[in-house]
Amino acid sequence: SSDLTQDPAVSVALGQTVRITCQGDSLRTHYASWYQQKPGQAPRLVIFGQNIRPSGIPDRFSGSTSGNTASLTITGAQAEDEADYHCNSRDSSVNRWVFGGGTKLTVL
Amino acid sequence: QVQLLQWGAGLLKPSETLSLTCTVSGGSFNGYYWSWIRQPPGKGLEWIGEIDHSGDTNYNPSLKSRVIMSGDTSKNQFSLKLTSVTAADTAVYYCAKMTDLWGQGTLVTVSS
Repeated sequence: SSDLTQDPAVSVALGQTVRITCQGDSLRTHYASWYQQKPGQAPRLVIFGQNIRPSGIPDRFSGSTSGNTASLTITGAQAEDEADYHCNSRDSSVNRWVFGGGTKLTVL
Repeated sequence: QVQLLQWGAGLLKPSETLSLTCTVSGGSFNGYYWSWIRQPPGKGLEWIGEIDHSGDTNYNPSLKSRVIMSGDTSKNQFSLKLTSVTAADTAVYYCAKMTDLWGQGTLVTVSS
C-alpha cells in the first residue's frame, strides 16, 4: 500500500474540469508535487509547492491543499492530458519521500 | 540543460545484486540530494532512497536492509546497489533529483 492515497481511476469529458485528489498525513506539513506519466515515459513534474507550474506546463493545471488533502485540477481537459498522475511529498517524520498509488485519467 | 543519464544491467537472476549508476550531466552533483525510485510493471512509484554529495543517505525503511547508495563527486555520479533481488524487484528504476529532474529509466527484470 502507498503512504498517500489516490483514487485509482478518474474520467473527464473533453473540455471539462477534473480534480484528482491525494490524501495523507505528510500533506499537513509539506506541499504535494504532482507528476504526469504517459506510457513508456518517465514522470513529468506538473505542479509543485504552493501551486507552481514548471516552465512549459499549461496553465490549465493547478494545485491546492486543504488539511491532509492535496488536489490537482485540470480546467478544460484536453485529449493529451490522458495519463497517469502521481502525487508525492516529503515525510519529515521519517526523513523520506512518499508517493501515492497513482490515478489513471481518461479523457472521454 | 541538466540531464540525468542512467545505466546498468537489465536482467538479473534471483539472489544477485542490482547495480545502477546515474550521471549528472550539465550540472553540479553538489548541493542536492539524489534519489532512486522504482516502478513495478503496472504499479505506482516507490522511493528507494537518496544520497547527497557528502555521502549522507536516507533509505526507505522497507528496503533499507538491502540498499547501498554511493556517490562520486569527481565523476558527478551516484549509484544504487540492491542485494538479494527477487522477482518482486522487477521494475523500471529511475534516478532523480526530487522533484524536477528524472532519468530516462532502466527496466530491471529478475528471472531465473
